[in-house]
Amino acid sequence: AQTVTQSQPEMSVQEAETVTLSCTYDTSESDYYLFWYKQPPSRQMILVIRQEAYKQQNATENRFSVNFQKAAKSFSLKISDSQLGDAAMYFCAYMGVDNTDKLIFGTGTRLQVFP
Amino acid sequence: DAGVTQSPTHLIKTRGQQVTLRCSPKSGHDTVSWYQQALGQGPQFIFQYYEEEERQRGNFPDRFSGHQFPNYSSELNVNALLLGDSALYLCASSLLGAQEKLFFGSGTQLSVL
Repeated sequence: AQTVTQSQPEMSVQEAETVTLSCTYDTSESDYYLFWYKQPPSRQMILVIRQEAYKQQNATENRFSVNFQKAAKSFSLKISDSQLGDAAMYFCAYMGVDNTDKLIFGTGTRLQVFP
Repeated sequence: DAGVTQSPTHLIKTRGQQVTLRCSPKSGHDTVSWYQQALGQGPQFIFQYYEEEERQRGNFPDRFSGHQFPNYSSELNVNALLLGDSALYLCASSLLGAQEKLFFGSGTQLSVL
């Protein structure tokens, strides 16, 4: 069975600085998707970034980028120029492509941003 | 374009009661998935509906059941509520074949006393 592990329950960063959130996963599949979701106090899960495992190039979305290491099964999220609005819970998630369309989530990392 | 909408936003029930949660998918989506998020945890997959049938199911007891209507909206029913069923219930919608493009609602917070 696939698993997702986030070993950092809490992280903090100063406004305008850079922070990296860690995620590791376990799977025997060769093709899959990896995601980072943001969950603010409004509770809605908001997609931050998505990576397709067959693509070697790391995904980027504005200030958000990932470091995808397929062999190491590592998928970290880097937030550059952190803003107060980035404060939230961040969840790493896995989805297989073999007709198992469910997301498997990690336990989350709470990110605090200080002015 | 309305996104995924869920109702109610909050609900309080007592042990043994039954509850129904509702979800309207994003316009154009045909697949609805339900997730349970316990306090301090990541969401866990309950089940997925497509064409009014349960397509996949996670590791949840039969007390959890669902339904999808012809307009693609969905209900989650939980019978014989337990204290441990207290959680945030999230609905997500997508197009079959594009499951990687999920959109989530803001959830229903269920408290069982």
